[in-house]
Amino acid sequence: AQSVSQHNHHVILSEAASLELGCNYSYGGTVNLFWYVQYPGQHLQLLLKYFSGDPLVKGIKGFEAEFIKSKFSFNLRKPSVQWSDTAEYFCAVIPLSGNTGKLIFGQGTTLQVKP
Amino acid sequence: SQTIHQWPATLVQPVGSPLSLECTVEGTSNPNLYWYRQAAGRGLQLLFYSVGIGQISSEVPQNLSASRPQDRQFILSSKKLLLSDSGFYLCAWRSGTTGNTIYFGEGSWLTVV
Repeated sequence: AQSVSQHNHHVILSEAASLELGCNYSYGGTVNLFWYVQYPGQHLQLLLKYFSGDPLVKGIKGFEAEFIKSKFSFNLRKPSVQWSDTAEYFCAVIPLSGNTGKLIFGQGTTLQVKP
Repeated sequence: SQTIHQWPATLVQPVGSPLSLECTVEGTSNPNLYWYRQAAGRGLQLLFYSVGIGQISSEVPQNLSASRPQDRQFILSSKKLLLSDSGFYLCAWRSGTTGNTIYFGEGSWLTVV
């Protein structure tokens, strides 16, 4: 079955530390990839997405992610986190076989940034 | 521009009562529609998705059902709620064309008591 795995369930960092959140998916075909963020008390928001082209994508608020097809990975990075980055982060995948449009999320990673 | 509406925002229902959550999308046609549940500590679980009117795919066996009576309307239902149905339910939509972003509704908090 298709699945998305986020390795870190809970990450605690100090401000200015670098961040990398892992995401792996299990699907052999072409995919669209997403990272969403949910700040406390707010809706899910799109951070960044990868459809095709340059595997290094840049999103809002200084986030970036790199698609490594050979590793089925789409890790999220930020060089220097801020307290305001405290949130839950979700990786998501759409397998593109057929036209199902099925969107599969990882379990999420809670990021806590200490001031 | 496209918008997505989901209601009610909060709901407290007794065990055994029925449920109906409604989601509508405006400003697009033939969207892919999704229902997710976000339970504490369990991330986002895909419950149902639909690529067209009357076409519903269920991802997990459960006490819930979904229907798509119109192109831009997606309904989540239950005949008899269980305590385990409590959670935060999210509707989402995506253009049927590949390479498009998914947008989420504001969510519905369901508490079954």
